[in-house]
Amino acid sequence: AQTVTQSQPEMSVQEAETVTLSCTYDTSESDYYLFWYKQPPSRQMILVIRQEAYKQQNATENRFSVNFQKAAKSFSLKISDSQLGDAAMYFCAYRSALALMYSGGGADGLTFGKGTHLIIQP
Amino acid sequence: GAGVSQSPRYKVAKRGQDVALRCDPISGHVSLFWYQQALGQGPEFLTYFQNEAQLDKSGLPSDRFFAERPEGSVSTLKIQRTQQEDSAVYLCASSLIRRDSYGYTFGSGTRLTVV
Repeated sequence: AQTVTQSQPEMSVQEAETVTLSCTYDTSESDYYLFWYKQPPSRQMILVIRQEAYKQQNATENRFSVNFQKAAKSFSLKISDSQLGDAAMYFCAYRSALALMYSGGGADGLTFGKGTHLIIQP
Repeated sequence: GAGVSQSPRYKVAKRGQDVALRCDPISGHVSLFWYQQALGQGPEFLTYFQNEAQLDKSGLPSDRFFAERPEGSVSTLKIQRTQQEDSAVYLCASSLIRRDSYGYTFGSGTRLTVV
């Protein structure tokens, strides 16, 4: 079974500064997808960025970028020019690519970490 | 609809009571997922539907939990004889097709409190 670990329960950053959220995962699979989701107090999980394991190039979405180190099984999220609206819980998530070939055993679901609470200081 | 809609937003149940939580996915979305998110934790997979077929229910914690999606659109998660450990946010998510690696669209969840 896959596991996702977020070792930072809480992070704080000054507005306009850069912050990096850590995520490590454990899997025996070679093909998979990794995601960062944002969960504001409204509770809706919002997709921030995704990475396909077979792609070496790190994904970027505007102010959000990842540092994907496949050998180290590390997938950190960097937020540049932090804004007050970035304050939320951030979850790292893993999805097996095998889910595209068969169902069962939770293969179709996402495996989430416990989350990091990001605080933006004005 | 424009997004995934869940109701009720909040539910307080007395221990032993049965509850039903509703999820209305985005129109046309084939895949539907239920997750349970305990306080201070990440969501945990409960079950997965492809259209009306429940293809994976490996995450349901006990036989008190039952999910259905009879017409391949709206889904209901039912919890019988609720217990305090069932208190959590229940999230629903949908995606257009099964072979969708872009992640899902989540609803805002139902917060269930069992007293």
